[in-house]
Amino acid sequence: SYHVTQPPSVSVAPGKTATINCGGNNIGTKYLHWYQQKPGRAPVLIIYSYKYRPSGIPERFSGHVSGNTATLTISRVEAGDEAGYFCQVWDSSSVHYLFGPGTQLTVL
Amino acid sequence: EEKLEESGGGLARPGGSLRLSCSVSGFSLSSYEMIWARQAPGQGLEWISYITQTGETIYSADSVKGRFTISRDNAKNSLYLQMNNLRVEDTALYYCARDRGLRLGFDPWGQGTLVIVSS
Repeated sequence: SYHVTQPPSVSVAPGKTATINCGGNNIGTKYLHWYQQKPGRAPVLIIYSYKYRPSGIPERFSGHVSGNTATLTISRVEAGDEAGYFCQVWDSSSVHYLFGPGTQLTVL
Repeated sequence: EEKLEESGGGLARPGGSLRLSCSVSGFSLSSYEMIWARQAPGQGLEWISYITQTGETIYSADSVKGRFTISRDNAKNSLYLQMNNLRVEDTALYYCARDRGLRLGFDPWGQGTLVIVSS
């Protein structure tokens, strides 16, 4: 079955740029999306199809994919960005959706 | 405003059953695929089941296959998850979400309903 990987944690100072990776074989073919989850809250879709932002999501959030890695980039990080970030893909071979294990972003 | 609200969670014994409901408002349920996902305490997200608009096609995670059944009643704008033969490891916050399609992701999500399986 398909597997995706994410670093468990990323730390960044306010105003700097955070990058969170999601890795998997041929991940560019998996219809990848990113979700933000703040403590005690439901997940929120912040990037769909690797690089597109839903309405209402700040331009500071961006995404791209290269090779076997998709990347979420958060520019000019704010304290309010502290949250868990999850990538999600579709595995057509198993007809399953999959979430990555998640990355906890800490704003120093 | 598009909203989803889960209900039906609670305490169940191992081997027991629960039925979760997800009531939607602000959009027509019949137009969308839907999913259930869960999150064990302090853990990540786990997708568990998917259903097409008419209910004709259902996919489920291996962890719940044969025990959990997703269904829907479009006339009542409601999605359901019948959970049988519950296990301690099914303890989690259960979310419903609108599946906007492979290219658009899951949006929005409900706030979740807590299921605790314990003897």
